[in-house]
Amino acid sequence: DAKTTQPTSMDCAEGRAANLPCNHSTISGNEYVYWYRQIHSQGPQYIIHGLKNNETNEMASLIITEDRKSSTLILPHATLRDTAVYYCIVRAGNYGGATNKLIFGTGTLLAVQP
Amino acid sequence: DTAVSQTPKYLVTQMGNDKSIKCEQNLGHDTMYWYKQDSKKFLKIMFSYNNKELIINETVPNRFSPKSPDKAHLNLHINSLELGDSAVYFCASSQGGATKFFGPGTRLTVL
Repeated sequence: DAKTTQPTSMDCAEGRAANLPCNHSTISGNEYVYWYRQIHSQGPQYIIHGLKNNETNEMASLIITEDRKSSTLILPHATLRDTAVYYCIVRAGNYGGATNKLIFGTGTLLAVQP
Repeated sequence: DTAVSQTPKYLVTQMGNDKSIKCEQNLGHDTMYWYKQDSKKFLKIMFSYNNKELIINETVPNRFSPKSPDKAHLNLHINSLELGDSAVYFCASSQGGATKFFGPGTRLTVL
């Protein structure tokens, strides 16, 4: 079972920041938070991941609370092409073997409105 | 250049048939995966191979047999297809970790 909970859906106006929340209250000390998205009919796409510090890359920013029980993915200037299902996943940080599997939940359908 | 490619993109077949889906990655990754996305859109891992060795097998029926001829390829062969096998199958690869690159998917429809 997925260890995260996310809202089922969210709307965002084009050009505005999209803030997608995720709760992971049972996260363990060695577990990372990963975000993927799936645009309709395509394969999932990696966005970003983090352990406890905030992270930023060319796609998004990831804000993790100090207690690590929740996080927020921020798309700074959402476009219509960002409409997708966004998945928040927690996973152990040690690489290899069974820890390599990603357990996807139901995700958040982000609809960017023109 | 396509990082992870799958063929075919669409596959329509009759119950009881045997079919294969092919996957290739040109990223030099050491680990490849098969995921299944059912009609309710749940994505679930099926298999994982690391350097041609099976490391994850998520209680998938033994009608499903993955084959990894080399590090860059992971094919999925399905025997005696059933209606419930209809789904989108995604191949993925990674270099040891969870940052995975997924292929475009193969939509399998069993009639």
